[in-house]
Amino acid sequence: GIQVEQSPPDLILQEGANSTLRCNFSDSVNNLQWFHQNPWGQLINLFYIPSGTKQNGRLSATTVATERYSLLYISSSQTTDSGVYFCAATPTGAGSYQLTFGKGTKLSVIP
Amino acid sequence: NAGVTQTPKFQVLKTGQSMTLQCAQDMNHEYMSWYRQDPGMGLRLIHYSVGAGITDQGEVPNGYNVSRSTTEDFPLRLLSAAPSQTSVYFCASSLTGAGYTFGSGTRLTVV
Repeated sequence: GIQVEQSPPDLILQEGANSTLRCNFSDSVNNLQWFHQNPWGQLINLFYIPSGTKQNGRLSATTVATERYSLLYISSSQTTDSGVYFCAATPTGAGSYQLTFGKGTKLSVIP
Repeated sequence: NAGVTQTPKFQVLKTGQSMTLQCAQDMNHEYMSWYRQDPGMGLRLIHYSVGAGITDQGEVPNGYNVSRSTTEDFPLRLLSAAPSQTSVYFCASSLTGAGYTFGSGTRLTVV
């Protein structure tokens, strides 16, 4: 099946700093999503982005499907951005309904 | 529109007991799936369904059964609980298999 790798595994930021999280995937995808898991365990869908660039407030994401990676960019970080960020993908073709997750990037934003 | 609803939120079982984790969605989504989340492992797919009457195994199906008699409901059954099944369980749904919405999770402890 498809492999999804995220980096870095852990990230500590001062409030107000910017950061970039990376997601590499091993196969062509028809679905690529970024999620934020907050400290209460809730999974929040940030972006559905199998290709191209999207922005939502201080967050933006870019997926370069031909090079098999996606980036999540967080600007002017706030303490409420803390939590774990997951990238998940489904491959094209066989298994195309099976969303495979990376192991996540744990972000800690300190005041 | 409640989205994806999971019940219960918390459960403690004794080894060997059986139980059903409930998942319901009101968005008329065809695709539904169950994941478990263990520390450091990300989310792993247990079972999924692409429509009523159709189910298939994911990455970690052993010890779990599912059925899909209606579009709205996708229960996950543990026939004989084991301590290795202690985890947080998430249900998800999608209209087309692209872009999943997750429930709030069930935290299960097997003692």
